[in-house]
Amino acid sequence: NAGVTQTPKFQVLKTGQSMTLQCAQDMNHEYMSWYRQDPGMGLRLIHYSVGAGITDQGEVPNGYNVSRSTTEDFPLRLLSAAPSQTSVYFCASSYDGRRNTEAFFGQGTRLTVV
Amino acid sequence: ILNVEQSPQSLHVQEGDSTNFTCSFPSSNFYALHWYRWETAKSPEALFVMTLNGDEKKKGRISATLNTKEGYSYLYIKGSQPEDSATYLCAFRSTASKLTFGTGTRLQVTL
Repeated sequence: NAGVTQTPKFQVLKTGQSMTLQCAQDMNHEYMSWYRQDPGMGLRLIHYSVGAGITDQGEVPNGYNVSRSTTEDFPLRLLSAAPSQTSVYFCASSYDGRRNTEAFFGQGTRLTVV
Repeated sequence: ILNVEQSPQSLHVQEGDSTNFTCSFPSSNFYALHWYRWETAKSPEALFVMTLNGDEKKKGRISATLNTKEGYSYLYIKGSQPEDSATYLCAFRSTASKLTFGTGTRLQVTL
């Protein structure tokens, strides 16, 4: 049971390039989310999904797109990378929205935009 | 934007010491409060999910309490060990679908 898998683990992009961060979970979880971690700040929510075909914006969505075509996958797309998007990105999933449901995190993707 | 604050930012204790940290969150629209343990180079792992005012949870030497009316939760570690060294995150849920994280308390336990 792999849990939440993120790829790649590390990535360097040039300003203006686009790329997709992959996230997959094999736990049949309905809820999936993307966060970014910056020094001195808590994990900030970028986008989230409560099920296949349903996505919504979080706290810091600008410059990112998501889609949820299957329950398992929740890719995060950077449309035109900027240095401000240098960060560590975490994908998380949870079974559903019940109160006692915990989130499971991937190992993170460290992205540097130069 | 919801305000979730954790204190202290960092803590350095000796092996065997007991310690505690605080998470403050909005006292309205409470849905759940999460605690996560985050070791360096790993991903955050859930310690507790707390849902009711007055909740007390325990896992080994680690325990947590919850006061939703005043908007705080305490995490306690009894007899700290070097393997307890990590960042401890709390996260507030006001809805089913969103977690708002604090900045964490970084704990270092030395021999």
